[in-house]
Amino acid sequence: QQPVQSPQAVILREGEDAVINCSSSKALYSVHWYRQKHGEAPVFLMILLKGGEQKGHEKISASFNEKKQQSSLYLTASQLSYSGTYFCGTDQAGTALIFGKGTTLSVSS
Amino acid sequence: KAGVTQTPRYLIKTRGQQVTLSCSPISGHRSVSWYQQTPGQGLQFLFEYFSETQRNKGNFPGRFSGRQFSNSRSEMNVSTLELGDSALYLCASSFDRGLGEKLFFGSGTQLSVL
Repeated sequence: QQPVQSPQAVILREGEDAVINCSSSKALYSVHWYRQKHGEAPVFLMILLKGGEQKGHEKISASFNEKKQQSSLYLTASQLSYSGTYFCGTDQAGTALIFGKGTTLSVSS
Repeated sequence: KAGVTQTPRYLIKTRGQQVTLSCSPISGHRSVSWYQQTPGQGLQFLFEYFSETQRNKGNFPGRFSGRQFSNSRSEMNVSTLELGDSALYLCASSFDRGLGEKLFFGSGTQLSVL
């Protein structure tokens, strides 16, 4: 089942912060975050595993609430390079990685 | 280390035709997943192959099929093309699909059905 992402779009100025949320109705074993710039392939940002282990990006942080099956991606002091579409992907017990519809982030100077 | 390679990059077909897309994973990766991307729908999972076996399948009609070869290269086939099949088809590889395994995506094949 496809996870639900919110908001659908965010517009920021450089230096501002943003939070992107991802929720699922199914029990999750891991949550992945990817960013896709226009015309490019999605690129890995972060994996959060059940039990609290986090692997990923140095400048972006995320949380995973296992009880609520929710994850949030925190983008602080945004830069122009943060612009793109962010996808969360959810994994249920080693099954296929199912992605949400994405959140489009636009950062302007 | 070479990345995930997808060919062709662009494809134009007409309704009713069939098409085959190719994906070469990163050397050593044994899992290949396929996704369909359309505006506003995100990445829709098609199927995943591991060691030549289909391990997971999404909710797509039987016109969509795939296979994986012994060298881990994968192909995806769509028969009897419909206008709604126009999309960017992405493949992604990983060593395995165990917990904590990130996906490496190719640049995709942009399919246009006229």
